[in-house]
Amino acid sequence: DTAVSQTPKYLVTQMGNDKSIKCEQNLGHDTMYWYKQDSKKFLKIMFSYNNKELIINETVPNRFSPKSPDKAHLNLHINSLELGDSAVYFCASSQGGSLAKNIQYFGAGTRLSVL
Amino acid sequence: QKEVEQDPGPLSVPEGAIVSLNCTYSNSAFQYFMWYRQYSRKGPELLMYTYSSGNKEDGRFTAQVDKSSKYISLFIRDSQPSDSATYLCAMTTDSWGKLQFGAGTQVVVTP
Repeated sequence: DTAVSQTPKYLVTQMGNDKSIKCEQNLGHDTMYWYKQDSKKFLKIMFSYNNKELIINETVPNRFSPKSPDKAHLNLHINSLELGDSAVYFCASSQGGSLAKNIQYFGAGTRLSVL
Repeated sequence: QKEVEQDPGPLSVPEGAIVSLNCTYSNSAFQYFMWYRQYSRKGPELLMYTYSSGNKEDGRFTAQVDKSSKYISLFIRDSQPSDSATYLCAMTTDSWGKLQFGAGTQVVVTP
């Protein structure tokens, strides 16, 4: 009964391939996020959806496309993978809508290695 | 200059010691402050959150916020080897959860 679950945990692929990472939360939250954590452990937000609507879209290459089929799911599709995309990608969720409801709960991460 | 600065460590302390962690920030609009703990190969988990200047205590953990100095701290009393992890500070200005994280401080508590 993991609160925020991501699949797969590990992803090893060749440059140029297209891959997807899936995220699901069972907390009943309205807001979901994707973060990228680089090799220096720095966590940076990429996208955020609230009730299936995109509300945060940071400066991310358009090879990255989030999709939210419903408010419990937020998937990340990456086209034409590059070496620099190697990182750990975290999904998170929160109730959203106010500062007090912004406590974010993270998944275990997807470790992406592009060869 | 990053919006949130945090010494990456590592910070090594003997078991039972007090661990002192801090972050400085440049954006005076930050209103909500959080500390996350991240074990190796795991996702960050929330430890503490504070909204205003002052202290907040939860068991062995104390969070402090000094908005006038743009400085936040986390203290861990009676540290245990199980406290060995990376501690990330985070803060936000807006209701939609755009968190700015520090780089994280790696803490090692030796038995």
